[in-house]
Amino acid sequence: DSGVTQTPKHLITATGQRVTLRCSPRSGDLSVYWYQQSLDQGLQFLIHYYNGEERAKGNILERFSAQQFPDLHSELNLSSLELGDSALYFCASSVAGDSGELFFGEGSRLTVL
Amino acid sequence: LAKTTQPISMDSYEGQEVNITCSHNNIATNDYITWYQQFPSQGPRFIIQGYKTKVTNEVASLFIPADRKSSTLSLPRVSLSDTAVYYCLVGDMAGRADDMRFGAGTRLTVKP
Repeated sequence: DSGVTQTPKHLITATGQRVTLRCSPRSGDLSVYWYQQSLDQGLQFLIHYYNGEERAKGNILERFSAQQFPDLHSELNLSSLELGDSALYFCASSVAGDSGELFFGEGSRLTVL
Repeated sequence: LAKTTQPISMDSYEGQEVNITCSHNNIATNDYITWYQQFPSQGPRFIIQGYKTKVTNEVASLFIPADRKSSTLSLPRVSLSDTAVYYCLVGDMAGRADDMRFGAGTRLTVKP
């Protein structure tokens, strides 16, 4: 158990819909990272938040947005969903976000039908 | 230009030592080298991190030559349960997007 909690674990929805994925980092960790992993693909970095502020942005679509709240939990919002958005979405946390170990959650599996 | 280059796949047998090499020609002075392991449908798990020379922990060793342009993850006496994808990351992880890229990784298959 990494200490990072992601909900929901599984989500099935239809094209055009909007979903929110939630991540609770390890206690004391200030950084939250979001990654997308499609079937048999590598991990695509989406976005990084540190203590409530956006720190780095990767291959995140304009239809996707994220935020980190004062209690340090984070939410990833996916809108106007397309079939290609079906993937595992991982959240990771670290203490500070520099040179440190990333602790990954178990992921949220999104299926868009 | 890719920041790291690893073999796409490797095969081994139980009980053998496995060495996976990662090339990172453009490594910067402040960059660390970190390796992660990922099983299917699970989040990656930290294995080891190093800056130079050799680092060893209970599961692996990391060898980094003096020029730091490559690194080798060594897994001693692998078992079937070591079958996974192994990722090499290079960066100081200071919030730069490039530092967060895992790449394709190396798919290790351990056979009985």
